[in-house]
Amino acid sequence: DAGVTQSPTHLIKTRGQQVTLRCSPKSGHDTVSWYQQALGQGPQFIFQYYEEEERQRGNFPDRFSGHQFPNYSSELNVNALWLGDSALYLCASSSPGATGYGYTFGSGTRLTVV
Amino acid sequence: AQSVTQPDIHITVSEGASLELRCNYSYGATPYLFWYVQSPGQGLQLLLKYFSGDTLVQGIKGFEAEFKRSQSSFNLRKPSVHWSDAAEYFCAVVLFSGGYQKVTFGIGTKLQVIP
Repeated sequence: DAGVTQSPTHLIKTRGQQVTLRCSPKSGHDTVSWYQQALGQGPQFIFQYYEEEERQRGNFPDRFSGHQFPNYSSELNVNALWLGDSALYLCASSSPGATGYGYTFGSGTRLTVV
Repeated sequence: AQSVTQPDIHITVSEGASLELRCNYSYGATPYLFWYVQSPGQGLQLLLKYFSGDTLVQGIKGFEAEFKRSQSSFNLRKPSVHWSDAAEYFCAVVLFSGGYQKVTFGIGTKLQVIP
């Protein structure tokens, strides 16, 4: 049973560029949440997708956008990158109908902005 | 606002010693609480969770946590720490909004294990 898969694992971008991160949820999960984890910090909620729509959003600017596909996979897009966007980006999947609450996390994408 | 607080940023224990990591929550209703562990450069692994019922919860890797409503706490414990337990530990709470769940994390406690 595959867990949450994220790609790429690492990438380096230049300030001002755009980046797309990808996530495939755990089998049976239909909700995807994205988190940003800066160095030395806890994960911060970016947004959550369910039924291909953004259902909740954290305190992140519009430069951060996302998408969910019919197969439940998701993308996180960040435009106009700046140095402060350097972080580990974590994807988590869940299912509202599951008997247990909580998320299954991927290993993350380490984004470095130079 | 609902949140979790981890008052200890960094803890050092000797291998074989007991461990307790503190977590306090602020939540109006009965919270759904979790402990996650993160090894360097890795994602988060669920150690245990509390929803209701028995306030002492057993998790993986020999960890347990006790929910104490009177103290608004959900502390993580392990009777004998192994060197492989060195990692960062996050307490988290599920918040519900419009029927959707969102997990909110504490700042984390970094555990160092010395020989």
